[in-house]
Amino acid sequence: EVQLLESGGGLVQPGGSLRLSCATSGFTFSVHAMTWVRQAPGKGLEWVSTISQSGSSTFFADSVKGRFTISRDNSKDTLYLQMNNLRAEDTAVYYCAKVNSGWWFFESWGQGTLVTVSS
Amino acid sequence: EIVMTQSPATLSLSPGERATLSCRASQSVSSNLAWYQHKPGQAPRLLIHGASTRATGIPARFSGSGSGTEFTLTISSLQSEDFVVYYCQQHNSWPLTFGGGTKVQIK
Repeated sequence: EVQLLESGGGLVQPGGSLRLSCATSGFTFSVHAMTWVRQAPGKGLEWVSTISQSGSSTFFADSVKGRFTISRDNSKDTLYLQMNNLRAEDTAVYYCAKVNSGWWFFESWGQGTLVTVSS
Repeated sequence: EIVMTQSPATLSLSPGERATLSCRASQSVSSNLAWYQHKPGQAPRLLIHGASTRATGIPARFSGSGSGTEFTLTISSLQSEDFVVYYCQQHNSWPLTFGGGTKVQIK
């Protein structure tokens, strides 16, 4: 069974940093691209970032480009999202998801972790 | 950026009725369109990919159609657990984008 478990969320002040983790199991992590998607309170889903299987290619939404970094450790089957210079509008539940092998849609999702940016 | 527009925002129907949800792309995404179901407090679930292919384990009452810029998700006979929010997502080009969602609620 595919499992994705996000952690690292919490309350942070504007301008602060936070690192999210997504521990995975139940599939061969190293052969799948991975992604982060977020949902702000009362809003819809927003794609944030995607990383290729090896980590050599990364993609970011304009809203987080230059502030967020995505990475992965294939030896630990874990995905990361480093979030710097956080803003109030980054407040959201952050989901990690497993990307399909051939196309950029999301086969399995975690339960999410809440990030709140507030003073 | 490809803008995805879902309609209606809210759909009020009774159990057993047929639900038709629409998703429109601002430019062609070919058949590279996925649908997700999202229950509050839970992980989103993939329903449909490639516009019309049901994901593993998805009941046959869910079907998808369309190509280019116009897409439809149909739920043939609503069950109680289907009254939640649905999102479309284009996976044709970067940045990947979602529609704003359609909430299916009990009438």
